[in-house]
Amino acid sequence: RKEVEQDPGPFNVPEGATVAFNCTYSNSASQSFFWYRQDCRKEPKLLMSVYSSGNEDGRFTAQLNRASQYISLLIRDSKLSDSATYLCVVNINSGYALNFGKGTSLLVTP
Amino acid sequence: ETGVTQSPTHLIKTRGQQVTLRCSSQSGHNTVSWYQQALGQGPQFIFQYYREEENGRGNFPPRFSGLQFPNYSSELNVNALELDDSALYLCASSPLWEGPTNEQFFGPGTRLTVL
Repeated sequence: RKEVEQDPGPFNVPEGATVAFNCTYSNSASQSFFWYRQDCRKEPKLLMSVYSSGNEDGRFTAQLNRASQYISLLIRDSKLSDSATYLCVVNINSGYALNFGKGTSLLVTP
Repeated sequence: ETGVTQSPTHLIKTRGQQVTLRCSSQSGHNTVSWYQQALGQGPQFIFQYYREEENGRGNFPPRFSGLQFPNYSSELNVNALELDDSALYLCASSPLWEGPTNEQFFGPGTRLTVL
């Protein structure tokens, strides 16, 4: 079983839609959780960290359920510029190896 | 502040050859990690260097090796290249460990093609 699992999509949504991505992780000792964004043929960039209490950054909301080992990302009012691959990332030891999911592809259409 | 840089951007090699990829960490960052990203997959951790020592390794064979220099830059060496080594190789640097949300900053990657 992979350590981090995501629905690969693709998700095709119209501008203005709300879209949710889910992710599960297998190692209960995981300490840190992130969502990264990767544009086509570019490097991954941190979108947001995910905290147990849930956190929001503008149109983006991340949730963590440690009991279910489940992470989510909600994007409201989708923009064309949100089209990218969203990578769920788990870190077992602080500052150490990042474990990436396969990524979920999002295409926002006019 | 200069970000993470990698060289070369693209590389074509043949099976059995050896390759060296280079990474310069972001200013003030002393930890460098290397990842391999095959097409359609998420990045996979190869190893990490901290204070010029290997600080952990993923599930990669010994023909993947690395170095970190006193200025914190790093090299990834791959011997006896195989077709499956074709991938985007990403370098990420991070500052002194600051806690659970320590961010790793990625370079643009080196795209390696093995023929």
